[in-house]
Amino acid sequence: DAGITQSPRHKVTETGTPVTLRCHQTENHRYMYWYRQDPGHGLRLIHYSYGVKDTDKGEVSDGYSVSRSKTEDFLLTLESATSSQTSVYFCAISESRGDEKTQYFGPGTRLLVL
Amino acid sequence: KQEVTQIPAALSVPEGENLVLNCSFTDSAIYNLQWFRQDPGKGLTSLLLIQSSQREQTSGRLNASLDKSSGRSTLYIAASQPGDSATYLCAVSASNYQLIWGAGTKLIIKP
Repeated sequence: DAGITQSPRHKVTETGTPVTLRCHQTENHRYMYWYRQDPGHGLRLIHYSYGVKDTDKGEVSDGYSVSRSKTEDFLLTLESATSSQTSVYFCAISESRGDEKTQYFGPGTRLLVL
Repeated sequence: KQEVTQIPAALSVPEGENLVLNCSFTDSAIYNLQWFRQDPGKGLTSLLLIQSSQREQTSGRLNASLDKSSGRSTLYIAASQPGDSATYLCAVSASNYQLIWGAGTKLIIKP
């Protein structure tokens, strides 16, 4: 298994509260991704990173920010959590941009915003 | 805008049957297509990756095909087992290398 951990694994928070999710990898892969998964939808890309301090927006980036100060860590921040951000969040890593390599996923973080 | 559809959303079959899961996509300009497996409460595991120039890939009892011109892929599972019960997702790699995902097919294999 690829060395990817996510913390916390479960979190309950209140509307308006800031929340930070952490993804940590031990594979030294260049690319890291944050997705959310909701019932009836496939995974949707929030943000991704292609190197330290290099990030870009995905399909559903509104309300989220990210930071990558080290190769191994990719942080996802909800500045002011809303109930619509209740979801399961997955981190993924890949060696390349995707042409010939797959993505490896962490175990997910379940976030409930009350 | 690329859209990926998986039908059916759920499927239940007796153990031992061969089965086919379907994935369709709207834009044939893809780099690759991947099939993933997701077990409850866990992350996703890559099963097969088919490059856009390939027609199929095989791994054990799994065979995935790709027909870009018709915008379709199938995942064939031979001699199904209860351990195959999971949600299967397909994803296509778009022009910006981002993955576009289907919503998945939940598969239940009855002993």
